[in-house]
Amino acid sequence: EVQLLESGGGLVQPGGSLRLSCEASGFTFDTYAMNWVRHPPGKGLEWVSGISSTTTSSDTYYVESVKGRFTISTDSSKNTLFLQMNSLRAEDTAVYYCAKGRGSSPWYALDYWGQGTLVTVSS
Amino acid sequence: QSVLTRPPSASGTPGQRVTISCSGSSSNIGSETVNWYQHLPGTAPKLLIYNNNQRPSGVPERFSGSKSGNSASLAISGLQSEDEADYYCATWDDTLHGLLFGGGTKLTVL
Repeated sequence: EVQLLESGGGLVQPGGSLRLSCEASGFTFDTYAMNWVRHPPGKGLEWVSGISSTTTSSDTYYVESVKGRFTISTDSSKNTLFLQMNSLRAEDTAVYYCAKGRGSSPWYALDYWGQGTLVTVSS
Repeated sequence: QSVLTRPPSASGTPGQRVTISCSGSSSNIGSETVNWYQHLPGTAPKLLIYNNNQRPSGVPERFSGSKSGNSASLAISGLQSEDEADYYCATWDDTLHGLLFGGGTKLTVL
């Protein structure tokens, strides 16, 4: 059974940093792309970042609004996906979901999702 | 504001058929496959349709997808109260090099 468990969310001041983690199980982590998708309060889902499988290229992709501030990465030895978030802004406030791709690149459909972790950026 | 255009709301009565549209451009829907997700806020989103018209295992046949040109549609037949949720189209954009979600369509079962 595929399971994705996010952690690391919390309350942070504007300009601060947080590191989200997503522990994966139930599939061969190395062979699938992984993504972060967020849901800001009162708004729709927004894709944040994706990383190709480590068996292909580990290429990374970001939505324009987080480029230069967020970094996606994986640790295959721990089957874990990360999102390092720096220079956080109020508009980054959202529930952040980890999602597995159906294939090795981020453009494949997202077939499994975690339950999400809440990030609140406020002073 | 999303690059993918969709109706913000839709409604129907139990048993009815409803469709939700999603319009994009040649750099996204026109050249990539479309996926649809169902989301009840506070829960994990669920993949409903992938590759324009494929249903993952466990998704009822009542849900179907189609694509033509730069537009796609999700159809739900035999509407049930449990279908009340937010529905999102999504696709890759070749120019932005990123995944796009439509703004979400809130489906109400009257």
